[in-house]
Formats: sequence, C-alpha cells, structure tokens
Amino acid sequence: QKEVEQDPGPLSVPEGAIVSLNCTYSNSAFQYFMWYRQYSRKGPELLMYTYSSGNKEDGRFTAQVDKSSKYISLFIRDSQPSDSATYLCAMRERFTGGGNKLTFGTGTQLKVEL
Amino acid sequence: DAMVIQNPRYQVTQFGKPVTLSCSQTLNHNVMYWYQQKSSQAPKLLFHYYDKDFNNEADTPDNFQSRRPNTSFCFLDIRSPGLGDAAMYLCATSSERLAGVPSSYNEQFFGPGTRLTVL
Repeated sequence: QKEVEQDPGPLSVPEGAIVSLNCTYSNSAFQYFMWYRQYSRKGPELLMYTYSSGNKEDGRFTAQVDKSSKYISLFIRDSQPSDSATYLCAMRERFTGGGNKLTFGTGTQLKVEL
Repeated sequence: DAMVIQNPRYQVTQFGKPVTLSCSQTLNHNVMYWYQQKSSQAPKLLFHYYDKDFNNEADTPDNFQSRRPNTSFCFLDIRSPGLGDAAMYLCATSSERLAGVPSSYNEQFFGPGTRLTVL
C-alpha cells in the first residue's frame, strides 16, 4: 500500500466549475499537508499548506484536512483554463537530523475547458 | 529574483555513460533535496543535504551520488545510467534557520527540473 494515494485522473471540467481533488494517506507521522501545482515541464509550486484538521481558504482555493480519516481535499472554485495543470498532494514529516521529507501523491491531471 | 536553478533543462546520455546534473540556489537555504519523478509518478526523494551532512534515502540505488561543494550548489551524479533512470530530476531547497517561527513551516522551493533521457 502506498503511503499516499491520489487518483491520477485525468479530470476534465468546464470553465467555472467547482473542482474537488482528494488524497488519502496512511502514515500518522505526517504533520503538514500540502497541495502543489505542476505545469508541464516545470517544477512543482506550492499552492497551500495546512497543519491541522479543518479548512483553509485562499482566494478560489480551499484546502481541507480530516486527520481522523486520513483524508485531504483541495477545492477550486470558479475554475479557469489557467488552472489546467497537475495537482500533487504532499505530506510532510520531519527528519530527525533536520530538514523535512515530502511524500507526494502521483498527482491529478486537471483540464479546464472553455 | 531568488530562485532554484537547474542545468541543463534537458540531458541526453547513453546507457552506462556517467552524467551529472546541477542545481544552484540564490535563496541561501541550508537544506537541499534531490527528487526523481518518472512519467505519471509521484516525485520520490533520493537524498538531501542538511548543511554539509548528506542523508541518503534507504531505497536510493547506489548508482546515484551527490555532492554539495558549497551552500549554493548541489550536484546529482548518476554513475552508470540505465534505461530505468530516465526521469525528471527535481532539486528543492528549504531553510531550517526559521525553525520555531510560527509562520514558517520550512517550505520546499523547487527548481524547474532536468529531464534525463537515456538512450
């Protein structure tokens, strides 16, 4: 069983739709939960991070964490064609000697169509 | 702008021919990471440097080595690339010097990646 499970998609939605992206995880040591966006041939860029269970909102994006169910979600409201990318969830745990380890999901490929 | 730079962006090598990928950063971060991302797969951590201390992931093949001559630069050496090593290699950095500051969670900043092709 993978530590982080994410549906790879692809997911195609019309412009303006609400998008829901999800990940499940199995490692209770994960402390922070992130969503990265990766455009084709580019490195991942951080969208949002959360530490505790609950919701966190940033503009059109809402991140949700349910630690009891080991389930995280990212919602995108009023989706735009520019949101078309691969969305990677990532979970963080600390290394004993410093630094932090990110364990990524496989990413969900999203296409927002006009 | 402060950033993470990777060179080259595209690298083609022959089966078994050593190759070196380069990462540099202007962020003055003390931690640097190398990830391997194969097509349609999750980025996978290979190793990281905490300052000068090298930390290898348990399942990273011996074929992969790394050097960090100074704070700004880090290299990934693949001694004898196989076809299975074709992937995007991502460098990332984070700063631990802000540890303990409530607003900081030591974000990892990624470079654009080097796409390695093995012929």
